[in-house]
Amino acid sequence: EAGVTQFPSHSVIEKGQTVTLRCDPISGHDNLYWYRRVMGKEIKFLLHFVKESKQDESGMPNNRFLAERTGGTYSTLKVQPAELEDSGVYFCASSGGTGRHEQYFGPGTRLTVT
Amino acid sequence: DAKTTQPPSMDCAEGRAANLPCNHSTISGNEYVYWYRQIHSQGPQYIIHGLKNNETNEMASLIITEDRKSSTLILPHATLRDTAVYYCIVRPPWSYGKLTFGQGTILTVHP
Repeated sequence: EAGVTQFPSHSVIEKGQTVTLRCDPISGHDNLYWYRRVMGKEIKFLLHFVKESKQDESGMPNNRFLAERTGGTYSTLKVQPAELEDSGVYFCASSGGTGRHEQYFGPGTRLTVT
Repeated sequence: DAKTTQPPSMDCAEGRAANLPCNHSTISGNEYVYWYRQIHSQGPQYIIHGLKNNETNEMASLIITEDRKSSTLILPHATLRDTAVYYCIVRPPWSYGKLTFGQGTILTVHP
């Protein structure tokens, strides 16, 4: 069974540009999460989908970030316009239970804003 | 979520048991203890979780003290591939799955 996949693995963009990250969760997992780690900091929660609905978006830093989950399958995280402080590694995770079960993480997308 | 305290780093010899401690003195009665690890350049990986009883799986064992204020993750026979950052996370069921990562413990397994 395929794990959580993320695309691209690495993205380099200029400040002010737009970038869209994609996450494909494990098939059948209703819960999908986004996290990120910026340089030197801890991994931080961004938001949580249950199917196509946003369950918790308390970690989204500002309105330059937009997450969607079409049809409750894959998810995208768009950053528009990107700022230097958005550089970091963005992780996606999914889980199949009620939220109390383990989360399976993807390999991450390394975003570099120059 | 309850705050956890872990040592910043630990060393272990290959083939020996690695015992990683975690303090969670403010844990609530229904909060679970989870352990994850992050091997360099990979996404975090689930290891094990427990509520009050000791747990064991193919990766590790989790020992939770009777008062639940601390726990120990045990890797019985550490290998070089176990070198990673290990995170102890306490989480209530109503957090809808959000994980709160701290600094973790950098475990270095040496030959």
